[in-house]
Amino acid sequence: GDSVTQKEGLVTLTEGLPVMLNCTYQTIYSNAFLFWYVHYLNESPRLLLKSSTDNKRTEHQGFHATLHKSSSSFHLQKSSAQLSDSALYYCALSNTGANTGKLTFGHGTILRVHP
Amino acid sequence: EAAVTQSPRNKVAVTGGKVTLSCNQTNNHNNMYWYRQDTGHGLRLIHYSYGAGSTEKGDIPDGYKASRPSQENFSLILELATPSQTSVYFCASGDGGAGNTLYFGEGSRLIVV
Repeated sequence: GDSVTQKEGLVTLTEGLPVMLNCTYQTIYSNAFLFWYVHYLNESPRLLLKSSTDNKRTEHQGFHATLHKSSSSFHLQKSSAQLSDSALYYCALSNTGANTGKLTFGHGTILRVHP
Repeated sequence: EAAVTQSPRNKVAVTGGKVTLSCNQTNNHNNMYWYRQDTGHGLRLIHYSYGAGSTEKGDIPDGYKASRPSQENFSLILELATPSQTSVYFCASGDGGAGNTLYFGEGSRLIVV
């Protein structure tokens, strides 16, 4: 079945430094959608960005990610971390083969940004 | 005005008791989902639904039932709650398809003692 790997459970950064959260995936289907969801404390998880286009950069709210099908990766990046970026980040996968709309999530990466 | 609302938000249940978690959505989405969130496991799919009257097993359905009596409502039922079901449960809705965005509720924290 589908799987998503987020190798870092916790990333701690100083404000102003660049952010990179890793995400790799496995699926038997060629047309995969990859997502990043963000979960702030005491809020609902919500979509940050998504993509299904190979080698195309997707941006939203200062974050960006590029889907690389050759390496099955969809890493999340930001040039300069802010204190307000502290949250739990999930990478997720959906595919057109099953067409259920259901997402397979990674284990999540907690990002902590300190002054 | 939250589009996906869950109740109760917090629940303490006894082992062996019955628990029902309710979810209501005003997005008019066909698909609804129940996930549980656990440290080290992320969000795992329990049950989902394509529309009223439909329920499908997700990746970890054992010990759970689901009910979708209407487009708007989707319930998760624990007939015999166990301590291993202590978790935070999230309901979500989506319009279906591979690229659809899921809209999550606020979560229901369940403790089984």
